[in-house]
Amino acid sequence: QVTLKESGPVLVKPTETLTLTCTVSGFSLSNGRMGVSWVRQPPGKALEWLAHIFSNDENFSSTSLQTRVTISKDTSKSQVVLTMTNVDPVDTATYYCARIRIGTFVTYYVMDVWGQGTPVTVSS
Amino acid sequence: DVQMTQSPPSLSASVGDRVTITCQASQDISNYLNWYQQKPGKAPKLLIYDASNLETGVPSRFSGSGSGTDFTFTISSLQPEDFATYYCQQYDNLPLFTFGPGTKVDLK
Repeated sequence: QVTLKESGPVLVKPTETLTLTCTVSGFSLSNGRMGVSWVRQPPGKALEWLAHIFSNDENFSSTSLQTRVTISKDTSKSQVVLTMTNVDPVDTATYYCARIRIGTFVTYYVMDVWGQGTPVTVSS
Repeated sequence: DVQMTQSPPSLSASVGDRVTITCQASQDISNYLNWYQQKPGKAPKLLIYDASNLETGVPSRFSGSGSGTDFTFTISSLQPEDFATYYCQQYDNLPLFTFGPGTKVDLK
């Protein structure tokens, strides 16, 4: 059974750095047909993709956040870590991690299994 | 960056209705378009990938079509469990992802 679980602080102060961890099970972060994404959702608003990372450590982040967001992984611990610097109240959201499945015969990218999400509030 | 729009932002429908949602990309994205369902307080769920492929285990009343810049998502006969918000999501060649703003489907 594939599961992903987000963990991290519930409350962060403005200008601080937010660090979130996604712990996965049921698949390996070294699997070349898999990756892990981070997606967030402010209260009452739409989903926003933040970043993702693949087995070869290739990673990408949203152009609007790329100066503040870093993604990394520890394959031995089955963990993907997202760091966001200089947080602001507008970063208040539920943060999800999701497994990316890459197509085999035809290349496609889907987020097919999601964690339950972790709420983060940015406030002084 | 590719921008995504969805219409309508919300709709009211009855059980048994046919529901159609459209998604438009700001540039040609071929068929690199996925659809997700999200219920309140829950994580999104993948329904359709590559514009028209039904994810394993998803009921056949859900379907998708389109390519290029214009895409359609259809629920052929709305069921009580289908009241939710639906998002399109595109990916490009890098890949970078972008979600649409969502369409909320509620009970008329």
